[in-house]
Amino acid sequence: AQSVTQLDSHVSVSEGTPVLLRCNYSSSYSPSLFWYVQHPNKGLQLLLKYTSAATLVKGINGFEAEFKKSETSFHLTKPSAHMSDAAEYFCVAPQGSGAGSYQLTFGKGTKLSVIP
Amino acid sequence: NAGVTQTPKFQVLKTGQSMTLQCAQDMNHNSMYWYRQDPGMGLRLIYYSASEGTTDKGEVPNGYNVSRLNKREFSLRLESAAPSQTSVYFCASSEAGPSGTDTQYFGPGTRLTVL
Repeated sequence: AQSVTQLDSHVSVSEGTPVLLRCNYSSSYSPSLFWYVQHPNKGLQLLLKYTSAATLVKGINGFEAEFKKSETSFHLTKPSAHMSDAAEYFCVAPQGSGAGSYQLTFGKGTKLSVIP
Repeated sequence: NAGVTQTPKFQVLKTGQSMTLQCAQDMNHNSMYWYRQDPGMGLRLIYYSASEGTTDKGEVPNGYNVSRLNKREFSLRLESAAPSQTSVYFCASSEAGPSGTDTQYFGPGTRLTVL
């Protein structure tokens, strides 16, 4: 089964500086992968998803992620952090492929703090 | 178009009490899910319903039951609440294509405390 590891539980950046949230996945095949964001006391919202069409995926609010098969990584980046980016971010993978693959495996989350 | 709605938003129970969490979606999605979120654990799947009339266990089903009432509604029941079930519960839905690339849409959550 697919699994994901978020390498940092908490990341703190200054407003206007780049954001890097790291995610590694484990699988012998190219998976689908997602990044979701959860703002305080809110539900989860899809930021972006990789479905093997292109290795560089652009999402909402200026975020993007690059799928690197050689490194089994799917890191989330943004060139310039904004105060509104403060939230928890989850790297997510479907379990397996085909029937039943809509069951998702969530990483443990990375909490992003943005310092004014 | 409200998306996924959940009721109640907050609930406090005593150990042994029962309750039902309600979820509804208006996107005509086939699949619906119940997750729990605990600090440092991410989200874990409790039960899911791939289509109307079917339900299956997820990663942490013990102590819960579900009902897919119709295509729109999917409820989660705690028959005898325990303090270990204190958590934030999220309902989600998706069109559920077979490739696993479907986006899941989440409700705002129910914050449950069991004393």
